Amino acid sequence: NAGVMQNPRHLVRRRGQEARLRCSPMKGHSHVYWYRQLPEEGLKFMVYLQKENIIDESGMPKERFSAEFPKEGPSILRIQQVVRGDSAAYFCASSPMVTDPYGYTFGSGTRLTVV
Amino acid sequence: ELKVEQNPLFLSMQEGKNYTIYCNYSTTSDRLYWYRQDPGKSLESLFVLLSNGAVKQEGRLMASLDTKARLSTLHITAAVHDLSATYFCAVDRGAGNMLTFGGGTRLMVKP
Repeated sequence: NAGVMQNPRHLVRRRGQEARLRCSPMKGHSHVYWYRQLPEEGLKFMVYLQKENIIDESGMPKERFSAEFPKEGPSILRIQQVVRGDSAAYFCASSPMVTDPYGYTFGSGTRLTVV
Repeated sequence: ELKVEQNPLFLSMQEGKNYTIYCNYSTTSDRLYWYRQDPGKSLESLFVLLSNGAVKQEGRLMASLDTKARLSTLHITAAVHDLSATYFCAVDRGAGNMLTFGGGTRLMVKP
């Protein structure tokens, strides 16, 4: 079991470009969570998805950010027209079911730098 | 809105010493997690605490949970340099495994 796979590990974008971050959950996990970590801070919840459904997006900025978890393929966090303030580490976590606290696993993260 | 506060935010200690990191949270929750993060790395799960009075130990680290006081502690015994890292507590909002993290405690253990 390869664990939660995120790619790319590092991503550099110029201001105004789009960033696409991918997360493949662990095998058998159908719940995906995205978090953002600004430098020297804790992680902040962004969005919770199940296959083809956004369950909770209360932590997502209202503009430029979107997320999906299609029936086939990885979950995608998309940031349009990136700005310097979007520079952060973005972590994805997956779990097999919400009632299982022990299966919650984080990926290695994508470090986005906006220049 | 659930708030999670850790203290201290920064801790420098000598090898061999003991210390405790505190994690307070503002609303009822029945799941609390402790994680370790090394610079530039992901989060390593240390403990999952699920009930009032829960105590778990792994090596030099021991975590406890008091749900009535809304307080968890991470106790470090006889610290060694390898424990240098940032430690986060995280609390489940109560619906769906969405976690609210504390600001982290950056621990430096000096030889």
